[in-house]
Amino acid sequence: AQTVTQSQPEMSVQEAETVTLSCTYDTSESNYYLFWYKQPPSRQMILVIRQEAYKQQNATENRFSVNFQKAAKSFSLKISDSQLGDTAMYFCAFMKPYQRQGAQKLVFGQGTRLTINP
Amino acid sequence: DTEVTQTPKHLVMGMTNKKSLKCEQHMGHRAMYWYKQKAKKPPELMFVYSYEKLSINESVPSRFSPECPNSSLLNLHLHALQPEDSALYLCASSQSGVGQGEKLFFGSGTQLSVL
Repeated sequence: AQTVTQSQPEMSVQEAETVTLSCTYDTSESNYYLFWYKQPPSRQMILVIRQEAYKQQNATENRFSVNFQKAAKSFSLKISDSQLGDTAMYFCAFMKPYQRQGAQKLVFGQGTRLTINP
Repeated sequence: DTEVTQTPKHLVMGMTNKKSLKCEQHMGHRAMYWYKQKAKKPPELMFVYSYEKLSINESVPSRFSPECPNSSLLNLHLHALQPEDSALYLCASSQSGVGQGEKLFFGSGTQLSVL
């Protein structure tokens, strides 16, 4: 079974700083997908970034980027120029491709609570 | 429209009540999901529907009964719940559920309290 580990339960940085959230995972699959979701106080899970394991290039979305190290099974999220609106719980998640329809399953880590201070 | 709408936002029910949670999306997605999230925990998958057919049931107790009347609507019928079922129930949708790393779009959830 796949497991996802986020070793930082809480982090706090000042506005405009850069922060990196850690995530490691365990799988025997060679092809899979990795995600970062954020959950602000509104409770809605919002997709931040997605990475395909067979792609060497690290995904980026504006101020958000990842450092994907496949051999080390590491998938960290870097937030540049952090903003107050980035305050949220961040979940790292793993998905392996299934052969049958309707069998997608996201496995989440325990989350990192990130606070951006003014 | 990239929204997944869940109603109600809050629900309080007794252990003998019957209630339903509703989820709606108009993105043309053909896969819909129910997740359960306890306080300070990650979401856990309960059910997956793909093309209106139940494709995954994560061994959820029968007091939770999902229904997918059409491709835009997903219900979760609740009956004889226990206090430990109190949680945030999240609905999500994705394009087809074919299993190629599709992005899931989530609603804001229904906060359920069972007394």
